[in-house]
Amino acid sequence: DGGITQSPKYLFRKEGQNVTLSCEQNLNHDAMYWYRQDPGQGLRLIYYSQIVNDFQKGDIAEGYSVSREKKESFPLTVTSAQKNPTAFYLCASSPSTSNQPQHFGDGTRLSIL
Amino acid sequence: SQKIEQNSEALNIQEGKTATLTCNYTNYSPAYLQWYRQDPGRGPVFLLLIRENEKEKRKERLKVTFDTTLKQSLFHITASQPADSATYLCALDMSGGYNKLIFGAGTRLAVHP
Repeated sequence: DGGITQSPKYLFRKEGQNVTLSCEQNLNHDAMYWYRQDPGQGLRLIYYSQIVNDFQKGDIAEGYSVSREKKESFPLTVTSAQKNPTAFYLCASSPSTSNQPQHFGDGTRLSIL
Repeated sequence: SQKIEQNSEALNIQEGKTATLTCNYTNYSPAYLQWYRQDPGRGPVFLLLIRENEKEKRKERLKVTFDTTLKQSLFHITASQPADSATYLCALDMSGGYNKLIFGAGTRLAVHP
């Protein structure tokens, strides 16, 4: 079955440490997205990529970085510059044509040690 | 900037009744609007998409309306079941159809037997 796989499901970060969240899709989608979800708030867009080797900042990109070297993969690094990283992180993908739904993974919950 | 408002209070209804959830937005109307379901600890799952030139869309027990004059979408679940209990998210495309979405915080629905 096609889908999006996020790993790990739970992740703990020490102060001053960078951590990388994995997102892999086998849906052959061109576009991929990273969101952050905090309690009582809507999903907020961190970064998105419409095509391989290209990505754009979303609304809350500070303290995060991404790469898109392969169509299937869109890893997110939470750097030590992100002072409040505790959240539920969701990866999604969609076809690049207009008016398409997004397909989500089951998220990674990041906490601070 | 565009804002999306969904009722933050949980909606409690009796099994068999119709659940109606509201999504209000400010400023200009989006190209289309989507509804997603999210279960605790899981990623959102796409349910329905409605375009700005459509007034109503149906899928099995689900119905979505889109009123660009009122800047509002209503999401209905008829003959509700306890399995329908989840958080429902409204999302707007503000990128002219290029799938860059803004999400509401969601409304939690609890269907009681």
